[in-house]
Amino acid sequence: QKEVEQNSGPLSVPEGAIASLNCTYSDRGSQSFFWYRQYSGKSPELIMSIYSNGDKEDGRFTAQLNKASQYVSLLIRDSQPSDSATYLCAVSGGTSYGKLTFGQGTILTVHP
Amino acid sequence: SQTIHQWPATLVQPVGSPLSLECTVEGTSNPNLYWYRQAAGRGLQLLFYSVGIGQISSEVPQNLSASRPQDRQFILSSKKLLLSDSGFYLCAWSVTVGQPQHFGDGTRLSIL
Repeated sequence: QKEVEQNSGPLSVPEGAIASLNCTYSDRGSQSFFWYRQYSGKSPELIMSIYSNGDKEDGRFTAQLNKASQYVSLLIRDSQPSDSATYLCAVSGGTSYGKLTFGQGTILTVHP
Repeated sequence: SQTIHQWPATLVQPVGSPLSLECTVEGTSNPNLYWYRQAAGRGLQLLFYSVGIGQISSEVPQNLSASRPQDRQFILSSKKLLLSDSGFYLCAWSVTVGQPQHFGDGTRLSIL
């Protein structure tokens, strides 16, 4: 079982829709959770951090964390073509203390 | 504000040649530093991380090595490159354990 799992996609949504990206992790001791956006040929860019159960909103982005279910998600409201990228889920803590474990990423395509 | 510099942006090297990639961070002291490799279409693989000068942890046995000669300088090296060393090399920093990592622009390395 992979430590951090994401659906590789591609996930295709129309412009203006809500894009929902999901991530599960195996280490119950994980404490910090991050979402990165990576445009093709570029380096990852941090877009959200979440540390406690519940929702965290930042502009059009909402991160949701459920530690009991070992599940973290990212919602992108009013999706724009500029949101088309690979979204990486990263987890820290537990047995990977001091390090980030990344998922393989979900490719998101927002079509006009 | 903190910034991370990584160079060169692109590098083409013959098999068997040496390698030196450099990364520096500005605007912070004693950062945690990381080297990752991302093969084409693949996830991020942690290669090395450092929590202080001279302290290097290796994640994957390979023909690469890392050094941290100064507080905010991290160097990735190889004595003899292999074809399998091709990829996108990323340097990252974080304030401390459990905090998000911030990436440099990366070096795209091609081995011929």
